[in-house]
Amino acid sequence: RKEVEQDPGPFNVPEGATVAFNCTYSNSASQSFFWYRQDCRKEPKLLMSVYSSGNEDGRFTAQLNRASQYISLLIRDSKLSDSATYLCAVTPYDKVIFGPGTSLSVIP
Amino acid sequence: DTGVSQDPRHKITKRGQNVTFRCDPISEHNRLYWYRQTLGQGPEFLTYFQNEAQLEKSRLLSDRFSAERPKGSFSTLEIQRTEQGDSAMYLCASSLSDGYTFGSGTRLTVV
Repeated sequence: RKEVEQDPGPFNVPEGATVAFNCTYSNSASQSFFWYRQDCRKEPKLLMSVYSSGNEDGRFTAQLNRASQYISLLIRDSKLSDSATYLCAVTPYDKVIFGPGTSLSVIP
Repeated sequence: DTGVSQDPRHKITKRGQNVTFRCDPISEHNRLYWYRQTLGQGPEFLTYFQNEAQLEKSRLLSDRFSAERPKGSFSTLEIQRTEQGDSAMYLCASSLSDGYTFGSGTRLTVV
């Protein structure tokens, strides 16, 4: 079993839609959790950290369920510019382990 | 530019040749990481440094791979006797605590 798993998609959604991505991780010792965004042929960029209490940044909401070892990302009112790959990432020790990413295409 | 810098951006090499990549992290970041990414996959951890000390190496890092960070600043990743399977994007990241800043990567193509 991979340490971090995600549905690879692709998710094709119309502009304005709400879309949710899920991620599971296997190492219960994981301490920090993140969502990264990666545009085609570019480097990953930190989108947001994920906290136990859940957190929101504009149209983006991240949730963490430690008991189920599950992380989610919700994007509301999707924009064309949200089209990218979204990488779930966890830190079990001193390094970040990434999932394979979920591809999102927002369609006009 | 105060971001993470990687050089070269692209490298095409013949199978069997040696290649070396360089990473200049954000100056105040004491941790430096190397990852490899292939199409459709997330970045895979290779190795990391805290200051000049190499603290962990992945099993992915065969004996053909070596990384250094001699003065705790920039780092180099060398691949000896390259194979076609080494073709990938090699990403460097630096951090002070949580959350990484990635460089733009070096795209290696082995022909």
